[in-house]
Order: sequence, then C-alpha cells, then structure tokens
Amino acid sequence: DAGVTQSPTHLIKTRGQQVTLRCSPKSGHDTVSWYQQALGQGPQFIFQYYEEEERQRGNFPDRFSGHQFPNYSSELNVNALLLGDSALYLCASSLTAWEDGDEQYFGPGTRLTVT
Amino acid sequence: GQQVMQIPQYQHVQEGEDFTTYCNSSTTLSNIQWYKQRPGGHPVFLIQLVKSGEVKKQKRLTFQFGEAKKNSSLHITATQTTDVGTYFCAGPTTIYNTDKLIFGTGTRLQVFP
Repeated sequence: DAGVTQSPTHLIKTRGQQVTLRCSPKSGHDTVSWYQQALGQGPQFIFQYYEEEERQRGNFPDRFSGHQFPNYSSELNVNALLLGDSALYLCASSLTAWEDGDEQYFGPGTRLTVT
Repeated sequence: GQQVMQIPQYQHVQEGEDFTTYCNSSTTLSNIQWYKQRPGGHPVFLIQLVKSGEVKKQKRLTFQFGEAKKNSSLHITATQTTDVGTYFCAGPTTIYNTDKLIFGTGTRLQVFP
C-alpha cells in the first residue's frame, strides 16, 4: 500500500518563474492538504482540497493555487516565484475532511529553491 | 516584537476530563489558526478563525476567537487518549510583505487512561 508520494523531490527555479508540484494521496484517501515549511519553521497550511474543490485556505496569496483531480491526486502551482517561496512543500492526505482532522499522512515533501 | 503566547505550557488530564488551552497575541490578528502535533509527527492544521467572536466546533473540539482578535481558545470536551499531542495556535506576522505565520509556544496535552 503506497503512502503519500510527491514529485519532484527537489527543484531549483529563478525568481519570477512558475512551478508545479504534484502529490498522490495514500490509497483510499480523498482529501489533500498542502503545507509550506521554511527552514527552521513549523509547517504552514496553504490550502486543502476535497471533491476537487478548495475547502479551506490559509494566509497565502493568489500566486498559490491548486487543483485536485478525479483520482484525488493534487497539484500545487506557484506563480511569480519570490526568494521567500524557497521551502519544503509538504502534501498530506486524509480520509474525509473533518471526521478526524488530525489524521493526516504526510509525504516526503518537495524541496523548492528559488534563486 | 510580535509574540504569541499559550497557556498552560503543559497539562495532563484523566481521560474523560475537559481541557482548554489559551492563546494570546501581543498584536491584533486578522485570523488565527490552530494546529495539532502528535508525538513524532508534523503539525496538522485543525481550523482557521477569521471573525471577531467567532466560535467553531469540530466534534469534541470548540475553537473561539476573541472579540478583540488578540486571543483565542481551544476547548476539548471529554478528552480521549487520541487527543494527546501539542496544540499550537498561529497568527499572521505583522512584518511587512511576508505571508509567514508566527506560532504560539504550544500546549502539550497528556491524557491518562
């Protein structure tokens, strides 16, 4: 049973570029949440997708957008990259959005470096 | 500088008892988030409150945002061993031109069966 997978594992972009990160949830899970974790900081919630719709959103600007596909996999898109977007991006999956809100399984993350 | 404090720092309760953690910010917050971190795990987002005086419930968890938007609380009714973990509140930083959150100091909850 595959857990949460993310791709790519590492990525280097320059300021102003756009990036797409991908996540496949744990088998059977239908909800995907994205987090940004800067070096030395706790993960910050970006948004959550359920039934292909954004259910909740944190304090991130519109440059951060996402999508969930019918197979529950998800993409995180960041436009007009800033140096401050350099971070580890974590995807977490769970089964239904609010039944057990803390039962989320995290992927290994994508390390994004913006130069 | 901007600070977000939580009390208590640590609390242990008997299973079935209630638990409350309080979060206080030195500045007014536009919104507040709550996270739960299980031992050895990542902090997991629980909820976001935006409106002054807002109250939200998730099963046995009740979240409240103060009228002045400088404090918040999380109350757990009839704790269970699955509630064990550290609860963090987090608010947007007031540092210009950044989207970062400032996390509170956290309250570690231990539940004894």
